[in-house]
Amino acid sequence: EAQVTQNPRYLITVTGKKLTVTCSQNMNHEYMSWYRQDPGLGLRQIYYSMNVEVTDKGDVPEGYKVSRKEKRNFPLILESPSPNQTSLYFCASWPGTGIGVGSEGYTFGSGTRLTVV
Amino acid sequence: AQSVTQLDSQVPVFEEAPVELRCNYSSSVSVYLFWYVQYPNQGLQLLLKYLSGSTLVKGINGFEAEFNKSQTSFHLRKPSVHISDTAEYFCAVSEMDSSYKLIFGSGTRLLVRP
Repeated sequence: EAQVTQNPRYLITVTGKKLTVTCSQNMNHEYMSWYRQDPGLGLRQIYYSMNVEVTDKGDVPEGYKVSRKEKRNFPLILESPSPNQTSLYFCASWPGTGIGVGSEGYTFGSGTRLTVV
Repeated sequence: AQSVTQLDSQVPVFEEAPVELRCNYSSSVSVYLFWYVQYPNQGLQLLLKYLSGSTLVKGINGFEAEFNKSQTSFHLRKPSVHISDTAEYFCAVSEMDSSYKLIFGSGTRLLVRP
């Protein structure tokens, strides 16, 4: 089954303790992205990657890092989490070919609910 | 810069009644438009998309949306809703000639009551 898999689904951590949220896709998609979802704000892009070793900042990159060493994996790293990073996080992927990002839409993971206390 | 506005944060409606969820966008170039649905404790699922051609787009679960370029709108409609349609709905836009970015609205929670 074609899918984007995120782990963990739920995570409670303390301020300052480094954590990694993993994201893996099995569709050989070139493009991957991380979003955070907050009430009343919709989804905002954190980082995206257009291919292996190519990453760039989205709209809210502060406090986050990413890496893209393999095509299928795109982990999100919080070096020193703070309470304002408590949110619902989504990873998404897209084939990267065709008439533009819109033509296929994104495939989303099931989300990771992070609480930082 | 492109933006998406969903004016209604919550829309309560009775079962079997029609519903319209409003979406307006702002962009200086041509766009692709999307509606996604998020059921409780799940990820986002594509409902429908407008790329080009007919302005009336049909999606899954009986939903449809109409692209109105002059009003920069892409409202979502369903003639008769079910309890199972209770979910959050997101409108999203992507500019045709630019980046790999999907801009989302703030979401509308559809609450279907028996």
